[in-house]
Amino acid sequence: GENVEQHPSTLSVQEGDSAVIKCTYSDSASNYFPWYKQELGKRPQLIIDIRSNVGEKKDQRIAVTLNKTAKHFSLHITETQPEDSAVYFCAASSYNNNDMRFGAGTRLTVKP
Amino acid sequence: GAGVSQTPSNKVTEKGKYVELRCDPISGHTALYWYRQSLGQGPEFLIYFQGTGAADDSGLPNDRFFAVRPEGSVSTLKIQRTERGDSAVYLCASSPTRTIGEQFFGPGTRLTVL
Repeated sequence: GENVEQHPSTLSVQEGDSAVIKCTYSDSASNYFPWYKQELGKRPQLIIDIRSNVGEKKDQRIAVTLNKTAKHFSLHITETQPEDSAVYFCAASSYNNNDMRFGAGTRLTVKP
Repeated sequence: GAGVSQTPSNKVTEKGKYVELRCDPISGHTALYWYRQSLGQGPEFLIYFQGTGAADDSGLPNDRFFAVRPEGSVSTLKIQRTERGDSAVYLCASSPTRTIGEQFFGPGTRLTVL
């Protein structure tokens, strides 16, 4: 089955700096890669996703890149703000297999 | 509109007891997922429903865990003979389509087994 690894487990940046979180996956059949943000005590919420037919997707300060050959994908947050502080989870799944596998999460702290 | 809701929000039980956790998905969503999230970990897939049927239950840890969705909307996760290791937040999510895409999560049920 799919195995998703996420790094780093914690990340601290200064407000205004960029943050990068990386994930690797094992199943070459995976073709859907979402990123979820979870604030303390709250439910996970989708912030961006990418499908395997594209290599990069951007939404304002957030971007995701995908390298299918190397089986890794990354989340990039630019101009970080204190409200970006949360735990971020990557995940991987395939169209034929709906059991989405999540990484262990990255706790991002943005210091004002 | 209303999001995914889960009840109860907290459940404390004793080892060996039976518990039921309920999930109300977003109206019209055909896909429903159950996950378990332990402290400091990502959600762990348990089971996926498409309509009334369990399309994939490969994540259920053992036969003490069972889930139903008899009318294709509300789902109940049932845990028999609870163990301390079952303590976690149980998350439900729903999705509007058959193909994989955004999942909308509920607030979770925090289960504590004493």
